[in-house]
Amino acid sequence: EPEVTQTPSHQVTQMGQEVILRCVPISNHLYFYWYRQILGQKVEFLVSFYNNEISEKSEIFDDQFSVERPDGSNFTLKIRSTKLEDSAMYFCASSDRSQGSPLHFGNGTRLTVT
Amino acid sequence: RKEVEQDPGPFNVPEGATVAFNCTYSNSASQSFFWYRQDCRKEPKLLMSVYSSGNEDGRFTAQLNRASQYISLLIRDSKLSDSATYLCVVAGSARQLTFGSGTQLTVLP
Repeated sequence: EPEVTQTPSHQVTQMGQEVILRCVPISNHLYFYWYRQILGQKVEFLVSFYNNEISEKSEIFDDQFSVERPDGSNFTLKIRSTKLEDSAMYFCASSDRSQGSPLHFGNGTRLTVT
Repeated sequence: RKEVEQDPGPFNVPEGATVAFNCTYSNSASQSFFWYRQDCRKEPKLLMSVYSSGNEDGRFTAQLNRASQYISLLIRDSKLSDSATYLCVVAGSARQLTFGSGTQLTVLP
């Protein structure tokens, strides 16, 4: 079964540093997403991406965040100048074109900001 | 009112028991509904979609009541491997998923 893959599985960075989280969505999927989950809290939507542009973003997704699809397979989340409160699990997800189709999640990147 | 609200649990049940989880959602324009399960520190995994007519997948039965904005999940003959957090998930027209906080289930031997 095709999978969404994410790298790295764990990233430790110092406050103020930039990090890039990488994702390879399922190959025939067209919609891409980033979600995050702070330890002990619920999964929160960050951003959705379709046709090479952001289609929707949450209040969490402020100017320190950006997404990019640099080639035909990768989908990245960049966090500029990380803060302690950015520590969380970051999940990438993708879905196909069907309205109502579920999202398939990657195994996540645990980001620890020290 | 929270967008998606669930019984927080935890539910501790013996193997073989039947357990039911409930969920309510606030946005009447929501279009798609799902149950995901999440194991500790792992990604959410789709358990089943929820259809208006209700649907069943083996030991799992999901129901949707649009009028009451209510979703349920029933697990019959629970197994040890069913221990996880069950996430009620609702999607609007933009495909953005809104997650409930989850209900923790522990199935005891």
